[in-house]
Amino acid sequence: QLVLTQSPSASASLGASVKLTCTLSSGHSSYAIAWHQQQPEKGPRFLMKLNSDGSHIKGDGIPDRFSGSSSGAERYLTISSLQSDDEADYYCQTWGTGIQVFGGGTKLTVL
Amino acid sequence: EVQLVESGGGLVQPGRSLRLSCAASGFTFDDYAMHWVRQAPGKGLEWVSGISWISGSRGYADSVKGRFTISRDNAKNSLYLQMNSLRAEDTALYYCAKDMSKQWQGDAFEIWGQGTKVTVSS
Repeated sequence: QLVLTQSPSASASLGASVKLTCTLSSGHSSYAIAWHQQQPEKGPRFLMKLNSDGSHIKGDGIPDRFSGSSSGAERYLTISSLQSDDEADYYCQTWGTGIQVFGGGTKLTVL
Repeated sequence: EVQLVESGGGLVQPGRSLRLSCAASGFTFDDYAMHWVRQAPGKGLEWVSGISWISGSRGYADSVKGRFTISRDNAKNSLYLQMNSLRAEDTALYYCAKDMSKQWQGDAFEIWGQGTKVTVSS
């Protein structure tokens, strides 16, 4: 079964970096994912599509502070030079035969 | 500007029907698969349904299968979701999303609308 697992919460200080993790279920470590950001009271925003080899395609206007990487079944989103409006929910998404799946989301708090 | 604008949400009684619409602009609508995704109050994102570029293939989450029908009118650059036999647990903000590929099972969601609110309550 295709499942994405995310930690419910994360926090980091203004100006620091944070690395969020999305884990693919067993047997699906070759799958690509997408990262989406949802700021409070707003619709989601596509950040990037991230492949198993770490290569990624960013959405329009996504700053260089946002980067992605992969290791095995783990997919990472790193945000550097944290700003106050990076405080948001971050969701990973993947797809397969007959299914589209979202992770439960990580709520990022910028201290 | 690439844009998706949802409409049609509202308050509806359990067991009744509602039809959501999504108007697309700024891209070649009939080149891409499209989706509906919902978010219940205080909860995460849940994929509801997807449709491929020429309507040949559609998919549904188990939670809505048999009750909801997705469709598209490429001549009108529009996506629809017919929701029948609505339940309280269908209460959510419903988003329209554009896929990066032609097939609904194929790729990431790269454009999102702002959502339309559906409340199912007596």
